[in-house]
Amino acid sequence: DVKVTQSSRYLVKRTGEKVFLECVQDMDHENMFWYRQDPGLGLRLIYFSYDVKMKEKGDIPEGYSVSREKKERFSLILESASTNQTSMYLCASSLPRYTEAFFGQGTRLTVV
Amino acid sequence: GNSVTQMEGPVTLSEEAFLTINCTYTATGYPSLFWYVQYPGEGLQLLLKATKADDKGSNKGFEATYRKETTSFHLEKGSVQVSDSAVYFCALSEGAGNFNKFYFGSGTKLNVKP
Repeated sequence: DVKVTQSSRYLVKRTGEKVFLECVQDMDHENMFWYRQDPGLGLRLIYFSYDVKMKEKGDIPEGYSVSREKKERFSLILESASTNQTSMYLCASSLPRYTEAFFGQGTRLTVV
Repeated sequence: GNSVTQMEGPVTLSEEAFLTINCTYTATGYPSLFWYVQYPGEGLQLLLKATKADDKGSNKGFEATYRKETTSFHLEKGSVQVSDSAVYFCALSEGAGNFNKFYFGSGTKLNVKP
């Protein structure tokens, strides 16, 4: 069974902290994605990666960075967490071109 | 550019009612189309997909047909159950070089009452 695993279901962090969200997939997928989901705004793409060490900005990259040192792992980094980054974060992976994305279970992050 | 538009919710139905959730898309090429379902507090799960015109995707009693002429991919189910209560997302993917780009609709919340 294919799997995308996010390291935490729930996180509470303080304003100004550096936060790491980890995502691992076991499907040997080239493409990996980070989205955030907020009520009324749907899914918004933060960053994606199409290969190891390759990354591209999505629609809302400000305040975030990513790391992909190994094919199976894609990390989202909040350099200095702020309250407006409180959200549900979803990681996904896919093969290149026209195939479906597989999602992790999500991480609900609260920044206080 | 590419986009997906789906009907706003919430949609409230009684158990065993017929469900339709409308989805239309705009795409520059020949996308694949998907329906995803999200249960409370969970990630998105693929419900069904169609990769070319006139394909019908189906799963768990849900169906959707890829209609190129009307650029639509409406989700239907003949008899909904309380357990179908969730948020449903229509999406498309289009290859761009080395990667997929996904475009999601805003989601439609379905409430099924006993």
